[in-house]
Amino acid sequence: QSALTQPASVSGSPGQSITISCTGTSSDVGNYNLVSWYQQHPGKAPKLIIYEVTKRPSGVSNRFSGSKSGNTASLTISGLQAEDEADYSCCSYAGISTWVFGGGTKLTVL
Amino acid sequence: QLQLQESGPGLVQPSETLSLTCTVSGGSISSSSYYWGWIRQPPGKGLEWTGNIYYSGSAYYNPSLKSRVTISADTSKNQFSLKLTSVTAADTAVYYCARLDNTVTTGFDYWGQGTLVTVSS
Repeated sequence: QSALTQPASVSGSPGQSITISCTGTSSDVGNYNLVSWYQQHPGKAPKLIIYEVTKRPSGVSNRFSGSKSGNTASLTISGLQAEDEADYSCCSYAGISTWVFGGGTKLTVL
Repeated sequence: QLQLQESGPGLVQPSETLSLTCTVSGGSISSSSYYWGWIRQPPGKGLEWTGNIYYSGSAYYNPSLKSRVTISADTSKNQFSLKLTSVTAADTAVYYCARLDNTVTTGFDYWGQGTLVTVSS
């Protein structure tokens, strides 16, 4: 079970949109629609922002959206705001009741 | 409001056993709707799923840690625990306990604040 692959960092200016990719294999991301995304500010616990690839929990801004194609899932944040600056991690079900996370991506709002 | 709180030693000697407990309040760990898990994060690195336990007592582990990890639950205290044996410096991390929703979100929707465990002599 290898960690999902995410870019180490992405950046964007306020108001712009950015996309973070999360690449797995046919044994995890590609085989299940059970990809979730987490936002984590420094020193804080992660917060669930996307589940089941595209769904948002109650209270999460509709500026966050998710998608998947093949073995790669993506998180898009539109209308970037300063408060979006954080680390973002993906997670996928990997079968037999196991889960795997990505290495995390640091988002910088310029 | 559901709350999770990790507790345990912040310093563990190499080759010893790391033991942490997560106390859940505002909800029952005996619900069939949830798994209860441990996720760790080495300093400056990404999250790593360690394992989950279901209300039935069935536990599931990260294959890379399976030989060293045990997760158990005490429903009478509404707690679940993590034991990791033969620790090395590579096990130094912030350890989070979290709830995995099995019905609505299928995601880790509630987290503890995390506790830093350092492995050092």
